[in-house]
Amino acid sequence: DAKTTQPTSMDCAEGRAANLPCNHSTISGNEYVYWYRQIHSQGPQYIIHGLKNNETNEMASLIITEDRKSSTLILPHATLRDTAVYYCIVRLLGRQGGKLIFGQGTELSVKP
Amino acid sequence: DGGITQSPKYLFRKEGQNVTLSCEQNLNHDAMYWYRQDPGQGLRLIYYSQIVNDFQKGDIAEGYSVSREKKESFPLTVTSAQKNPTAFYLCASSAPAGGRSYEQYFGPGTRLTVT
Repeated sequence: DAKTTQPTSMDCAEGRAANLPCNHSTISGNEYVYWYRQIHSQGPQYIIHGLKNNETNEMASLIITEDRKSSTLILPHATLRDTAVYYCIVRLLGRQGGKLIFGQGTELSVKP
Repeated sequence: DGGITQSPKYLFRKEGQNVTLSCEQNLNHDAMYWYRQDPGQGLRLIYYSQIVNDFQKGDIAEGYSVSREKKESFPLTVTSAQKNPTAFYLCASSAPAGGRSYEQYFGPGTRLTVT
């Protein structure tokens, strides 16, 4: 099972871009990279996912390296409400039906 | 509004009692999941169900039981056999469990305290 490595914590100034890195060097060719975030005491919220191409939606952008061994989640203009724990997850396929394995994530603090 | 509901938000029980946590979804999702979260930790999978009347153990199923009699509902029972039941419990659902890609939608969680 592919595992992910993320920094424990990061700070970002309000209004600036937040770039959250993730290493997944053992990812298989058909496994997707997912990003979720969890605001304190709430359920996780889906942000974005990708396979090998860069992806963008209304919340964030996902940049995946060509070798797929790492990725970066970009919040283009961070706000105080973006303060949360961000989880980078590789989705398992097959019989386990899309089981997600959550690591400890990166605690992002957006400061005024 | 479509979504996942969990009730209650806070639950208190005495040690030795079984307790059932509710999870309901009206998203017409086939797959449902139960996770446990301890302070400062990520989520760990307890049980999941890909279809009605079928479910599989996750990584930490010991001391828990589930049922999936209806597509919309996936209740979790924390039994007295669970050694450390105090935790934050999260339910999630997703579109067909197979297929290419999909996201899981999470409920607001139930915080269980056993004393």
